[in-house]
Amino acid sequence: GQQLNQSPQSMFIQEGEDVSMNCTSSSIFNTWLWYKQDPGEGPVLLIALYKAGELTSNGRLTAQFGTTRKDSFLNISASIPSDVGIYFCAGQNWIQGAQKLVFGQGTRLTINP
Amino acid sequence: EADIYQTPRYLVIGTGKKITLECSQTMGHDKMYWYQQDPGMELHLIHYSYGVNSTEKGDLSSESTVSRIRTEHFPLTLESARPSHTSQYLCASSGVGGGGNEQYFGPGTRLTVT
Repeated sequence: GQQLNQSPQSMFIQEGEDVSMNCTSSSIFNTWLWYKQDPGEGPVLLIALYKAGELTSNGRLTAQFGTTRKDSFLNISASIPSDVGIYFCAGQNWIQGAQKLVFGQGTRLTINP
Repeated sequence: EADIYQTPRYLVIGTGKKITLECSQTMGHDKMYWYQQDPGMELHLIHYSYGVNSTEKGDLSSESTVSRIRTEHFPLTLESARPSHTSQYLCASSGVGGGGNEQYFGPGTRLTVT
């Protein structure tokens, strides 16, 4: 099946630092979504992107739909302790099928106070 | 705020037992999904439904079965649990938002088969 390559796999940063992570694929996607998952909980939708080049913000989070439609980026500014968790990208395209998503492997974010 | 519920949250059960994991949503979404996730790993789609009486197998083969008799309810059943079924099971739903691609997740059921 398709794969989304998410990097980095883990990040260890100081509180207050900015964070960048990305997701790439060899396939073109129509939709990119970013989720955050806390331990023992289900993923929570952070940002949804629908157009190539689209840049969308949600508070301190900003995500972009890559112009090639094969990648997406998530940035977190001025990280705080509650940002700790696993961030997943997810994409939808014609290969995956309508209303079905493929997920990246996740980026585990750890923040040192 | 997503209104999707899963019970039980945690289940420890012996090999060979039949189990049903419950999932309900109050958002009126027509599409529902079941994912399997090992701790900290990626999510794998095992079942999905586009509406009442519609069920399909996902990308990851699973011995579980599902049913969709009511719009709001999408239970998953394992007829005979095995240790290899130990995992976290996540239910999700989507409606018309984002062309139906914005999926909202429940809190998950962590299943341990001894």
